[in-house]
Amino acid sequence: KAGVTQTPRYLIKTRGQQVTLSCSPISGHRSVSWYQQTPGQGLQFLFEYFSETQRNKGNFPGRFSGRQFSNSRSEMNVSTLELGDSALYLCASSLFGLQNTGELFFGEGSRLTVL
Amino acid sequence: KQEVTQIPAALSVPEGENLVLNCSFTDSAIYNLQWFRQDPGKGLTSLLLIQSSQREQTSGRLNASLDKSSGRSTLYIAASQPGDSATYLCAVSPSQAGTALIFGKGTTLSVSS
Repeated sequence: KAGVTQTPRYLIKTRGQQVTLSCSPISGHRSVSWYQQTPGQGLQFLFEYFSETQRNKGNFPGRFSGRQFSNSRSEMNVSTLELGDSALYLCASSLFGLQNTGELFFGEGSRLTVL
Repeated sequence: KQEVTQIPAALSVPEGENLVLNCSFTDSAIYNLQWFRQDPGKGLTSLLLIQSSQREQTSGRLNASLDKSSGRSTLYIAASQPGDSATYLCAVSPSQAGTALIFGKGTTLSVSS
């Protein structure tokens, strides 16, 4: 059974650009969550999608957005990149979603470097 | 506001030792607590999930306990091996529906052969 797949694994952008990251959850999982991991702040919740609807959002600026498609695949977008957006972005999927607080399964992450 | 603390931040032990990693949380009203492992530059691997009604969970050489009333969880690793070297993270799911996991900063474990 395939795990959570994130693409791309690594990318380098410059300030002001935008980036789109993709996440394919485990087959059958309908919930996808996104987290940002930095050395200083650790892991912080970005947002969660369940059945194509954003159900929960963390404390991040509007430059961070996401969506989920009918096949449960999800994308997150960061516009007008800043140096502080450099981080490992992790996607997690679960069967029932955060509202039912099931076990989360994480992907390998997308490492974004902003120059 | 829920806060999760993991002590120590780093730990070095020789191979074969039994060890305990600690996790504490400020609000005892949680749905569950999950322990993860993260290797350098990699994603998180789920190790154990303890529901709020449970006291412990075991998987192989790993045993996790939960004491909600005191806001504490421990991860016990028996007979440690160099392959156990990684960062161990605990995360709690608050009791309010729809809220996200709150993570500790992790304990980085190094097991020497």
